[in-house]
Amino acid sequence: AQTVTQSQPEMSVQEAETVTLSCTYDTSESDYYLFWYKQPPSRQMILVIRQEAYKQQNATENRFSVNFQKAAKSFSLKISDSQLGDAAMYFCAYRRTRSNDMRFGAGTRLTVKP
Amino acid sequence: DTGVSQNPRHKITKRGQNVTFRCDPISEHNRLYWYRQTLGQGPEFLTYFQNEAQLEKSRLLSDRFSAERPKGSFSTLEIQRTEQGDSAMYLCASSLADTKYLKQFFGPGTRLTVL
Repeated sequence: AQTVTQSQPEMSVQEAETVTLSCTYDTSESDYYLFWYKQPPSRQMILVIRQEAYKQQNATENRFSVNFQKAAKSFSLKISDSQLGDAAMYFCAYRRTRSNDMRFGAGTRLTVKP
Repeated sequence: DTGVSQNPRHKITKRGQNVTFRCDPISEHNRLYWYRQTLGQGPEFLTYFQNEAQLEKSRLLSDRFSAERPKGSFSTLEIQRTEQGDSAMYLCASSLADTKYLKQFFGPGTRLTVL
């Protein structure tokens, strides 16, 4: 079974600083996708960034980047120059390439302090 | 706004009653997903449709749950004989089948409270 673990229930960061959210996953598959989703309070979940397992290069989307360590099954999210609007629940998710069953971690609540 | 919509946004019901939720996906999306999210947890996959065909179901989807997508557009999720453990946020998402990683767009969810 594939499981996703987010070991940090809560994190906080000062505005304009950098924060890293951790995620580990367990799988025996070699071909899969990893995602970070953001869920602001009372708002819809949106995709922040994704990574294909076959790609060695870490994905980057503006201020968001990942550190994908396939052998260690680790997929952390780095948010640079944190903004107040980054405050949200962040979920790490895993999906096998040939499945539509996406597995989510329990989430990390990020607080951004002005 | 052409995003995923869900109705109702909130539903309070008594134990033993039946409830039905509706999801309207983004119009050109042919894949539709249902998830359940309990407090303090991430979403859990329930089921997925491609067009009108229900192609994948989680073991979480007990026989009290049924989902339909009769014309390949909107979908309904029905829970029969609700139990207090069914209290959760029910999320719908949609995607295009021809995108490689199947980016899912989520709706705002329906929050169910079973008294």
